Amino acid sequence: DTGVSQNPRHKITKRGQNVTFRCDPISEHNRLYWYRQTLGQGPEFLTYFQNEAQLEKSRLLSDRFSAERPKGSFSTLEIQRTEQGDSAMYLCASSPGGGVTDTQYFGPGTRLTVL
Amino acid sequence: GQQVMQIPQYQHVQEGEDFTTYCNSSTTLSNIQWYKQRPGGHPVFLIQLVKSGEVKKQKRLTFQFGEAKKNSSLHITATQTTDVGTYFCAGLVVTDSWGKLQFGAGTQVVVTP
Repeated sequence: DTGVSQNPRHKITKRGQNVTFRCDPISEHNRLYWYRQTLGQGPEFLTYFQNEAQLEKSRLLSDRFSAERPKGSFSTLEIQRTEQGDSAMYLCASSPGGGVTDTQYFGPGTRLTVL
Repeated sequence: GQQVMQIPQYQHVQEGEDFTTYCNSSTTLSNIQWYKQRPGGHPVFLIQLVKSGEVKKQKRLTFQFGEAKKNSSLHITATQTTDVGTYFCAGLVVTDSWGKLQFGAGTQVVVTP
């Protein structure tokens, strides 16, 4: 068990550029979550996958954001036409999916800085 | 906005002292989870409380879940420098067949030797 991994760990981009982040969950975890964390705040839920199906999206996820989990394993989060307000830590978490209250395990996050 | 509130936002503690951080939700929770995030790190799961009035201990950490399942507390005794970090509570709100975690803003703990 290597834990949840995320790449890249840091991303600096210019406003208006597109960026894509990748999350590899713990092997055989059915559920995958994306969160955004800004300085001094707790993680805020963005979206949730059960296997390859995206079952919920937060209103925080504007139309510039898209997430996929094509084969039910790794997931990508793309932000188009980045804005300075997108600067944050993007966290991915996974859970086994065995029950409603299963524990979520977080990855190290991708820190995005939009100049 | 977040519906889970945590107080205090900051906690400066002398090494060896005790402190408590509190978590309050505007809605009844299915369970409450606590995470610790070290500076520059990511949230690490500490514990989950499910039952009304439940109390759990992990060494010097004592976690409580309120009778109404709307509040929780974390009490740390004899604080050590290794306790430095931000402690988040996260309330689980069940929607359909899965649970959404709503995090508080965290209590940032600084320990003075």
